[in-house]
Amino acid sequence: QVQLQQSGAELAKPGSSVKISCKASGYTFTSYDISWIKQTTGQGLEYIGYINTGSGGTYYNEKFKGKATLTVDKSSSTAFMQLSSLTPEDTAVYYCARLASDYFDYWGQGVMVTVSS
Amino acid sequence: DIQMTQSPASLSASLEEIVTITCQASQDIGNWLAWYQQKPGKSPQLLIYDATSLADGVPSRFSGSRSGTQYSLKISRLQVEDIGSYYCQQAHSNWTFGGGTKLELK
Repeated sequence: QVQLQQSGAELAKPGSSVKISCKASGYTFTSYDISWIKQTTGQGLEYIGYINTGSGGTYYNEKFKGKATLTVDKSSSTAFMQLSSLTPEDTAVYYCARLASDYFDYWGQGVMVTVSS
Repeated sequence: DIQMTQSPASLSASLEEIVTITCQASQDIGNWLAWYQQKPGKSPQLLIYDATSLADGVPSRFSGSRSGTQYSLKISRLQVEDIGSYYCQQAHSNWTFGGGTKLELK
């Protein structure tokens, strides 16, 4: 069955970076793009961007350009998102999701990123 | 950016009741709309795509409809396992989500 397994919770200091992972299984990894979505209590769900798992090409929501960097390792069927120059506003749950015909049909379990000094 | 205005923000309903949640798009998005269910502490799950198509494994008591730029999710007979939050999402231009509806049992 399709699964997206994300890495564990992160506690980071302001100004630092974190890199979270999303390991896919149960399907041909390069047949679907992987998207990343941020969830906070105040802002709800926000789309960050996606990566083409075959070519490595990326698309970013304007708001997250310079904040998020998406990469992929095809050999391990894993997508990564690095968040840089962290501020308390980056505290959120981050999901990866498989993008199927413009909709998100499978989601990872989410990673809680907490930014605090 | 296309804005999705979802209502109500919260809703309390009884078992077996009919529940309707709506999303208003700020511009024409055609049928490029999905609905997701998120149970407490879990990830969102796709319920409806292309405004009216039921995702695999989703019970038939869920249905989606469209009238112009207004979209609706209907639960025909509320069950206890339907409790959670619901989000609409447009896929016409980039991707944006509605603010969510928290559904509770009365």
